[in-house]
Amino acid sequence: DGGITQSPKYLFRKEGQNVTLSCEQNLNHDAMYWYRQDPGQGLRLIYYSQIVNDFQKGDIAEGYSVSREKKESFPLTVTSAQKNPTAFYLCASSPGQGRWNTEAFFGQGTRLTVV
Amino acid sequence: DAKTTQPNSMESNEEEPVHLPCNHSTISGTDYIHWYRQLPSQGPEYVIHGLTSNVNNRMASLAIAEDRKSSTLILHRATLRDAAVYYCILDTGNQFYFGTGTSLTVIP
Repeated sequence: DGGITQSPKYLFRKEGQNVTLSCEQNLNHDAMYWYRQDPGQGLRLIYYSQIVNDFQKGDIAEGYSVSREKKESFPLTVTSAQKNPTAFYLCASSPGQGRWNTEAFFGQGTRLTVV
Repeated sequence: DAKTTQPNSMESNEEEPVHLPCNHSTISGTDYIHWYRQLPSQGPEYVIHGLTSNVNNRMASLAIAEDRKSSTLILHRATLRDAAVYYCILDTGNQFYFGTGTSLTVIP
């Protein structure tokens, strides 16, 4: 079955450590995105990529980094520079480059907790 | 400033229609309007999208105002499984702007 997979579902990190969240899709989508969601709030865009080896900062990119070496994969690293990393992280993909004129698909999310 | 504004919460009785409003007064001519819904601790699920004309699919209908500054998601007969947070989203071609969402409660 085609879809988008995030792992792990839950992640705990000690302060000062970097951590990488995985996002894989087998939908042959060109575009992929990372969002952050805090309790009771909407989604905020961290980074997005419209094509392999290229990515752009979203509204809240500080303290995060990404790579897009393969079309299927778009991992997100939460660095120690991110001051408030505890949140629910969502990855999404869509067929078109930068335009959701068709359906986009979301993963089931990774809940990151800093302890 | 938020590109879309929605009421924080709404209630509906089961099997009655629900109209979820969204204002997007700064929308440009090429921006798409999307609606997604989200259950707790899950990723958002696509509901419907449109550009100018009203749209219907098996899940819902989308009514877009003539000036495109507002839209309404219509669930024709609410069921308990429709209880979720509904997001109105603007796709500007470069970024996708989520509103804060409307939490829909369906009363049996």
